Parts: sequence; structure tokens; C-alpha cells
Amino acid sequence: GAGVSQTPSNKVTEKGKYVELRCDPISGHTALYWYRQSLGQGPEFLIYFQGTGAADDSGLPNDRFFAVRPEGSVSTLKIQRTERGDSAVYLCASSLPGGPQHFGDGTRLSIL
Amino acid sequence: LAKTTQPISMDSYEGQEVNITCSHNNIATNDYITWYQQFPSQGPRFIIQGYKTKVTNEVASLFIPADRKSSTLSLPRVSLSDTAVYYCLVGPNRDDKIIFGKGTRLHILP
Repeated sequence: GAGVSQTPSNKVTEKGKYVELRCDPISGHTALYWYRQSLGQGPEFLIYFQGTGAADDSGLPNDRFFAVRPEGSVSTLKIQRTERGDSAVYLCASSLPGGPQHFGDGTRLSIL
Repeated sequence: LAKTTQPISMDSYEGQEVNITCSHNNIATNDYITWYQQFPSQGPRFIIQGYKTKVTNEVASLFIPADRKSSTLSLPRVSLSDTAVYYCLVGPNRDDKIIFGKGTRLHILP
């Protein structure tokens, strides 16, 4: 079956621009997570959705970062006024209740 | 969430059994132990989860002693394709964020 799909796989943009990253979870998975990963580090939690609502957004670094999941399926991570420090791989995961998280292969974001 | 300690890196040879040990001295009663594997340019992949004693699946075995303060991931007869980063995680088995450490970078040599 289809796994977690993230688009685009790569995104290059200039400092100050706005970006949107999309995540299509596994069908039927109610929980959705966003992480970001810098080179040589483990993934760092950003936000977690249960259905349409954000159950935990404690990992969002500042108010330039925002995520939505309006219909409880697809999610979009939005970053305003991007900075070079935002460059990383952004990973999305989904899970069934109490089940292991299944990750996509991420979007590699590069801010020039 | 319980903190874990695991080796930064390990080398082994094709065909060998590899054991990666993780320490989690302050594991809580309701915590499970979970291992993920990550290949370059891919997201982490769930390998195995256990609570106590031994768990085995088609990929690996997980050994957990009675005091649960450590655990060992065992990969039988590794191949070059097992070269990856392996993360040990400890937490309750519920929908919640995962706190990843730096993992163990396993390098399999021919």
C-alpha cells in the first residue's frame, strides 16, 4: 500500500520567501506529525495533529512556522519569511492510534 | 520521556550478527522500547518494539533484561544494506511526539 507521501521532495528558495510543504499520510491514519532533521542529527519534533486539530505544537520554533490539517488527512507546513537557518529536511509521519509512526522521505528545504 | 544512551557508531562485517545496546536507566513502568532505522535520504523506519524479555520479527530481535534499564537490538547476519542509523527510543505506547537522540551509525564492511 501507499506510504506517507511528501511533496516537493526538494525545495530551493531565497531568504525571505514563503514556502509550503505538503504531507499525504497513510489512508486512515488519524495522527500526523511533522519533524525536521539537520545533517547528522536525529529528527526534531515540530507539531502533532490528532484529526484536524493540533494536539501538540510545542516544537514549532517561532511564529513563522504554521501547520494545518483542515480535513484530517493532508497537512501543509507553512513557513513565512524563511531564513537560512530553516534549511533542513522536513519529515512527516502518520500513525494509527497507539501504533508506530510511519515516516515519509521528507522535503529537503534549502534557503539561499 | 526517558533519556537513552547508545553508541555513536559501530562497524561490523557482512554475515556477522550485530548487537546494539541502549541504556535507559530511568525508564518508567508504562514505557515501551522502540527502535527505528534510517537510511540516507529516507525517513526513519520502525523496526521493532518491546516491553520486556524478548521480541523477534523478520528483521531483528530485541532483548530486554528484567530490570529494563537497557535493551539490545540484534541484527542477524547483516549485509551491506544494513548500513544505516539506528535510533533507540523509550516512551509510553500512545500517540505522542518522538524524542530522537543522535542514534548509532552502523557501518557494514564487505
